Amino acid sequence: GQNIDQPTEMTATEGAIVQINCTYQTSGFNGLFWYQQHAGEAPTFLSYNVLDGLEEKGRFSSFLSRSKGYSYLLLKELQMKDSASYLCAFYQTGANNLFFGTGTRLTVIP
Amino acid sequence: GAVVSQHPSWVICKSGTSVKIECRSLDFQATTMFWYRQFPKQSLMLMATSNEGSKATYEQGVEKDKFLINHASLTLSTLTVTSAHPEDSSFYICSAKNIARGPGYEQYFGPGTRLTVT
Repeated sequence: GQNIDQPTEMTATEGAIVQINCTYQTSGFNGLFWYQQHAGEAPTFLSYNVLDGLEEKGRFSSFLSRSKGYSYLLLKELQMKDSASYLCAFYQTGANNLFFGTGTRLTVIP
Repeated sequence: GAVVSQHPSWVICKSGTSVKIECRSLDFQATTMFWYRQFPKQSLMLMATSNEGSKATYEQGVEKDKFLINHASLTLSTLTVTSAHPEDSSFYICSAKNIARGPGYEQYFGPGTRLTVT
């Protein structure tokens, strides 16, 4: 089977750093994605990790450990507009579609 | 590049009627498009995979006779919700993969269609 675990909700302060964790289980793995979704809108692509390590892209970084089935999304210098749901997703080997977690709803407070 | 559009962005219909939602890839070709449904405060649930020129593949529990999918060209897929009922009210999102990028790359999502059945 396949499964993704993410915290349901998180709260962080404007200007701070927050780490959103994601653990996954799958029989085959072909890359992990993070998407951002604001309420009532479609998801937008943030990052893609296929090899172990940290990928940095501006204020957002994503880390992957394939041996541990673990990823995290790191958001620095939080802004109010970062309040959104963050979805962890992966491709199973041979699959054509992404499998999504339930998402983590992040609230940034002043 | 990699823009996906959906039409309409929102629709209200009466129970028992049918609603068609269009998904277009505007600047790339997509042999495969995906249809998701998302209820409030829940994640995206894949309904079906739409393949150009062939029948769609439906996920378990999704009624193929109720949710008709047509993928007539490399840039257009449609989802028709037939005999809609209030429980079909949801946020429907399509996504597409750019065939030129190969497997394993990100999907590009449309802006979604909010369906309300009264």
